[in-house]
Amino acid sequence: EAGVVQSPRYKIIEKKQPVAFWCNPISGHNTLYWYRQNLGQGPELLIRYENEEAVDDSQLPKDRFSAERLKGVDSTLKIQPAELGDSAVYLCASSLDGGTGGVQTQYFGPGTRLLVL
Amino acid sequence: GEDVEQSLFLSVREGDSSVINCTYTDSSSTYLYWYKQEPGAGLQLLTYIFSNMDMKQDQRLTVLLNKKDKHLSLRIADTQTGDSAIYFCAESFGGNQGGKLIFGQGTELSVKP
Repeated sequence: EAGVVQSPRYKIIEKKQPVAFWCNPISGHNTLYWYRQNLGQGPELLIRYENEEAVDDSQLPKDRFSAERLKGVDSTLKIQPAELGDSAVYLCASSLDGGTGGVQTQYFGPGTRLLVL
Repeated sequence: GEDVEQSLFLSVREGDSSVINCTYTDSSSTYLYWYKQEPGAGLQLLTYIFSNMDMKQDQRLTVLLNKKDKHLSLRIADTQTGDSAIYFCAESFGGNQGGKLIFGQGTELSVKP
């Protein structure tokens, strides 16, 4: 079974440019998460989807970040315009069921490493 | 608020036991987890423990939870060079925070032959 797929794996852009990351979750997983992992830190949740609905986007900087999950499968995370401080690894994860308070078995993709110059 | 703290580095010899420690502030967590991250890879769930338990053993891994002290540890028996990685503890919550994982900053384990 394929795991969580992310692309691109690496991206280098200049500040003020736009950038987009793509995620394909494990087949059948209803819940999708985007995390940001700064160097030397643990992942921090940006947004969580249940099917097509964003149920927790409280940590998403909405002035420059946007996300969508059309048809409840693939998802795209966009930054426009990018700033130097956005350099980080952007991780996508998925799980069968995300919100019942039970055990959270989240499966992570390899991430997209973004460098903003 | 929620905060999870870990020591940053641990170095052991191959064959020794490793103990990675974690403290957390929010006692309302329902589950606590240990994830492993190898270079250039995503996080892999190693094990988890329900907050009402105090110990869980899974092959070479032993998780100890001291809820009174809000302290979680992961013991890896017979540590191998392939165990070299960054280990993250995390906690999750019930209610309207279901689905949210709060991670520590990670402990880098280095295993020397």
